[in-house]
Amino acid sequence: SQQGEEDPQALSIQEGENATMNCSYKTSINNLQWYRQNSGRGLVHLILIRSNEREKHSGRLRVTLDTSKKSSSLLITASRAADTASYFCATDALGDSWGKLQFGAGTQVVVTP
Amino acid sequence: ETGVTQTPRHLVMGMTNKKSLKCEQHLGHNAMYWYKQSAKKPLELMFVYNFKEQTENNSVPSRFSPECPNSSHLFLHLHTLQPEDSALYLCASSQAGSGQPQHFGDGTRLSIL
Repeated sequence: SQQGEEDPQALSIQEGENATMNCSYKTSINNLQWYRQNSGRGLVHLILIRSNEREKHSGRLRVTLDTSKKSSSLLITASRAADTASYFCATDALGDSWGKLQFGAGTQVVVTP
Repeated sequence: ETGVTQTPRHLVMGMTNKKSLKCEQHLGHNAMYWYKQSAKKPLELMFVYNFKEQTENNSVPSRFSPECPNSSHLFLHLHTLQPEDSALYLCASSQAGSGQPQHFGDGTRLSIL
């Protein structure tokens, strides 16, 4: 069953603007990860946030996690055309020791020059 | 260079054919995964292998048969597929356990005639 759901489904912005996308999930988790997928390619891991963390940064990426609301957000600051891709959240269910991930359907981001 | 290589990149086959997808990882990981990605749908986890043992089979039809001869190689054997099996098949690897990022190949685009 689908665990993560991203919002919005699609986002179109101009270079230099910030892009924010959200992820909601249904069950308690060990951690939450964000991935990027360029057209015709595989997914690339961006960042992982653990259930006891509230915010994490990596370069131009900022991720927040609110376990009480079962939601996360990914902010890309000062976007570039190269950020055009689909972005997915993936959750690792609490109690799962094998690290199986459940992915959402993704947010498609288009950054125009 | 993703470290995870999938072949072939594209495959067109008839419903009565038998073919195999191959995945190879050079990252020293001990867990490998097969996912199915269809348009507008979340990634579907098909099979998980940890330390060469299959630990997950998400109710995948028997016309898909995985094989993991060692921790570096993973195959997906296909036979008597249906048109709805047309999709992008992604392989991933990671260290086994919770909180490990997964590394993906670029997938095999499968079309069933």
